[in-house]
Parts: sequence; C-alpha cells; structure tokens
Amino acid sequence: AQTVTQSQPEMSVQEAETVTLSCTYDTSESNYYLFWYKQPPSRQMILVIRQEAYKQQNATENRFSVNFQKAAKSFSLKISDSQLGDTAMYFCAFSPNTGNQFYFGTGTSLTVIP
Amino acid sequence: DTAVSQTPKYLVTQMGNDKSIKCEQNLGHDTMYWYKQDSKKFLKIMFSYNNKELIINETVPNRFSPKSPDKAHLNLHINSLELGDSAVYFCASSQDLRGADTQYFGPGTRLTVL
Repeated sequence: AQTVTQSQPEMSVQEAETVTLSCTYDTSESNYYLFWYKQPPSRQMILVIRQEAYKQQNATENRFSVNFQKAAKSFSLKISDSQLGDTAMYFCAFSPNTGNQFYFGTGTSLTVIP
Repeated sequence: DTAVSQTPKYLVTQMGNDKSIKCEQNLGHDTMYWYKQDSKKFLKIMFSYNNKELIINETVPNRFSPKSPDKAHLNLHINSLELGDSAVYFCASSQDLRGADTQYFGPGTRLTVL
C-alpha cells in the first residue's frame, strides 16, 4: 500500500526567508508522480508543483522547488523568498502511473510571519 | 472562468436528511473525483468517474452515491445523513485516469450535520 507522510504539522517562516517542507512516501511502484498542493484559508486546493519519478531533475516553479530523492523516497518542497500569501496548508500527494489512486499526506500548516 | 465549480459552498442540515452536492467542470476532462476532508484536514478519495463509469469506490458507506449525468458533471448524493458526515467535500477533475494527470479541485462544500 502507498502511504504519504508529512512529519511537520505546523511550521512558520519570516517573510522573505526560505522554508522547506518535508514529505516522505512509501511505494513499491517504479513509476509514479508526486505533487504539492496548497490550501489557503479560502479552502481552494491549488497545485503548486509536480514531479515525475522517472525524471532526475528537480522540478521548479518560480519561488517553489523540490528536492526529490527517489532512493530515499523523499520529496521536500522549498519555498524561497516567502510571502504572506504563502500562508496555507500544504499537502504532499502521490499517484502511481496507473493513475487509479491518489494519496495525500496529512498536511503542513505554514504561517508566514511579517 | 471557473474550471471546477461546486454548489453549494455551505450546507447545514439535520441528521437523517438526504442532500446532494453538485459539481461541474468546464475543462473537457474525462475523469472526475470526490474527496472528503475531515476536521483534521485529512483528504481521502471517495469516488472517481472516468467517462461516466465508476472506477474507484473506496470503503464509503452506500449512503453515498455519485451520479454522473455526463462527463462534465459528477454529483454526490447522501442519504440519511449522520453526524460523522460533517466534513468538507471536494470535487476534482483530471484529463484522464493516469498518474501523470494533474487534478484540478473545486472550492469545496462544507457540510455540517446537526
């Protein structure tokens, strides 16, 4: 069975600083996809970044980047130059290549402090 | 234009009632999902529909019945509501039922059962 673990229930960061959110997963699949979703207080789930397991290069989207360590089954999210609007719950998610399942972690609540 | 919309956003009802939540996507996607997010923010997939066929039915009570009149709509009907059904329900859609396909979420419906 696939599991996704986020070991940091809450984190805070000063505005303009950098923060890293951790995510580990467990799977026997060889090909799969990993995602980070953001859920601000508005409740809307927004895709932040995605990574394909067969790609060694870490995905990057503007201030958001991932550190994907396939052997360690680790998929952390780095937010650079944190902004107040980054305050949200962040969910790590996993989907096997077959696509018939989608697993979320328990989330990390990030607060950006002015 | 809203990609994935849900109505209503808030639903307050008495135990034992029957209620429906509607979902529509205008992305031309073939797959739609329903998720439940509990009070601890844990997200779990309930159903997915691919081209109007039920693909996943997790261990969800049969009081919950998804109905898809066409591939742009996936409604969730709940019979005999119970206190434990209180949660936020998210609809989502993706191009197809593949791990590579990003899911796009609706704004969520907060259901409160009294």
